[in-house]
Amino acid sequence: GQQLNQSPQSMFIQEGEDVSMNCTSSSIFNTWLWYKQDPGEGPVLLIALYKAGELTSNGRLTAQFGITRKDSFLNISASIPSDVGIYFCAGHTQGAQKLVFGQGTRLTINP
Amino acid sequence: DTGVSQDPRHKITKRGQNVTFRCDPISEHNRLYWYRQTLGQGPEFLTYFQNEAQLEKSRLLSDRFSAERPKGSFSTLEIQRTEQGDSAMYLCASSRSGTGGRLAGANVLTFGAGSRLTVL
Repeated sequence: GQQLNQSPQSMFIQEGEDVSMNCTSSSIFNTWLWYKQDPGEGPVLLIALYKAGELTSNGRLTAQFGITRKDSFLNISASIPSDVGIYFCAGHTQGAQKLVFGQGTRLTINP
Repeated sequence: DTGVSQDPRHKITKRGQNVTFRCDPISEHNRLYWYRQTLGQGPEFLTYFQNEAQLEKSRLLSDRFSAERPKGSFSTLEIQRTEQGDSAMYLCASSRSGTGGRLAGANVLTFGAGSRLTVL
């Protein structure tokens, strides 16, 4: 089963608002990745994090690798309509080669 | 490079039939992964290859499922005697292996658009 707990499960916001979502686990992770998935498509990588405490930005997106290595968050600033979709956190635990995914956060934006 | 390609994008079949999906990874990636995704869930790992060797299989991969990567390039996922519970999106991904962190892009999976299976 899934080892990652992602929250919130869904968000309904107004265009222009900032968004924050997070992912937690009872296991230690060596990498954290954030993906976005549009309907009928595969997940697309947004940000990759490799080191505890790392804070990385990609345009309006910012993600951090938690210092305990058991959590990560993703922030989106000044949301726009094309931000709509499902956001997944994912990561590799120590020694594992497979990527484990959270359940996803569905983002809906009201114009 | 056009990214990870999957074929077919959609497959509708009757229960009991066999289906096969194909994945063409990014050419310089030596690892290839198969995931399954059901509605409202995150992708679940099925199996992965490094070159032509299948190195890990999930317990989700029952005896009816078989994956191959004969020449270390494209891969096929076959489901025999399909059941309604097999209905899902089957995602393929590829990556480089090893260490090297951010600069090497190691272990960053690039996904294809998926093959959606509907079993009637």
